[in-house]
Amino acid sequence: QKEVEQNSGPLSVPEGAIASLNCTYSDRGSQSFFWYRQYSGKSPELIMSIYSNGDKEDGRFTAQLNKASQYVSLLIRDSQPSDSATYLCAVNPNSGYALNFGKGTSLLVTP
Amino acid sequence: NAGVTQTPKFQVLKTGQSMTLQCAQDMNHNSMYWYRQDPGMGLRLIYYSASEGTTDKGEVPNGYNVSRLNKREFSLRLESAAPSQTSVYFCAGDTNTGELFFGEGSRLTVL
Repeated sequence: QKEVEQNSGPLSVPEGAIASLNCTYSDRGSQSFFWYRQYSGKSPELIMSIYSNGDKEDGRFTAQLNKASQYVSLLIRDSQPSDSATYLCAVNPNSGYALNFGKGTSLLVTP
Repeated sequence: NAGVTQTPKFQVLKTGQSMTLQCAQDMNHNSMYWYRQDPGMGLRLIYYSASEGTTDKGEVPNGYNVSRLNKREFSLRLESAAPSQTSVYFCAGDTNTGELFFGEGSRLTVL
């Protein structure tokens, strides 16, 4: 089973701070990486995808990928209470077909 | 969650009863997936369908069957429900870049 690991948290940050969420994966051949946000009682919602090493920015969100170290991270700048949710890292393994998900990191942004 | 529709949203079954969860998408996805999500376990793949007429087992297929009726519809059937199948079930379709889009989920309780 290909592993995708995340710290379960909760990660607590004050409003306006930068939240940093990390994910490691075991399949060195993985090519596609995704971050999903899931509010309590709701379905996962795609917020970022990244396919090559480096940074990818979209508004307040930045995804960072380092294939050599097998980690992917998500930075949320100017964190808002509405960002409080569970963030799921997902990886498309090299030999597999479906996404493997981490168990998620719970983020709490305090006013 | 526009584009992937699941029914029912809530269901309570007694042990041994059968039921089918329905999923339909209008986003022209080739591939469709069924995941279950349990506290502390994350999202786990039950079955997937890479194209119309094909289905494959995921990580936790036991106790389930699926049907890819056509490109739009992918149903999940529990033939004899067990309390261990109490979960939230998500159907999803993906784009050709691997991004998954989820339905709103079906919350199933087996007594």
